Amino acid sequence: EDKVVQSPLSLVVHEGDTVTLNCSYEVTNFRSLLWYKQEKKAPTFLFMLTSSGIEKKSGRLSSILDKKELFSILNITATQTGDSAIYLCAVERGSNYKLTFGKGTLLTVNP
Amino acid sequence: GAVVSQHPSWVICKSGTSVKIECRSLDFQATTMFWYRQFPKQSLMLMATSNEGSKATYEQGVEKDKFLINHASLTLSTLTVTSAHPEDSSFYICSAMALGTGVQETQYFGPGTRLLVL
Repeated sequence: EDKVVQSPLSLVVHEGDTVTLNCSYEVTNFRSLLWYKQEKKAPTFLFMLTSSGIEKKSGRLSSILDKKELFSILNITATQTGDSAIYLCAVERGSNYKLTFGKGTLLTVNP
Repeated sequence: GAVVSQHPSWVICKSGTSVKIECRSLDFQATTMFWYRQFPKQSLMLMATSNEGSKATYEQGVEKDKFLINHASLTLSTLTVTSAHPEDSSFYICSAMALGTGVQETQYFGPGTRLLVL
């Protein structure tokens, strides 16, 4: 059975801190790994990772994939209260584009 | 680019009634759309894959006669929850697959529909 496991499940930090969110996976027919940010509505796309060792960056967020060890991390530097959200990791399988989601990490950034 | 809308954004209905939710890709065509359900404090669970012009494929445990999916055009898929019951209350989210549109080829999510069945 395909599995996507995120840790920690929740995290509380102060503004300015740096956080690292983890995602490990066991899936058949891996195609890509995606990170999403979910506030009160549906998830918004952050990153898609397909190759090992290549960091993707967007402002204060960055992410990297290790296909040998089957995990990915999402880093957020200089956190702001607006970063408070649930961060979801999902793995895309095979040629049918289906996604398997992890349970998410609830990040709370306090002022 | 790659904007997906859903309508309605929230709905309250009586037990036994049917509810239709629309999912539209606004600036791209999507041959494949997906329907997810998310219960409080849980992750998204895929319900079904909707393919334009053909029958939807449902995930294990999802009743196809209860959750009717129609994907009649390249920009519209609908999910009808038939004879809704309180246990169907949830957050329903659709996504549309953007392929060959000049944006990242992945699923783009609609804003979701909150369904409350009384």
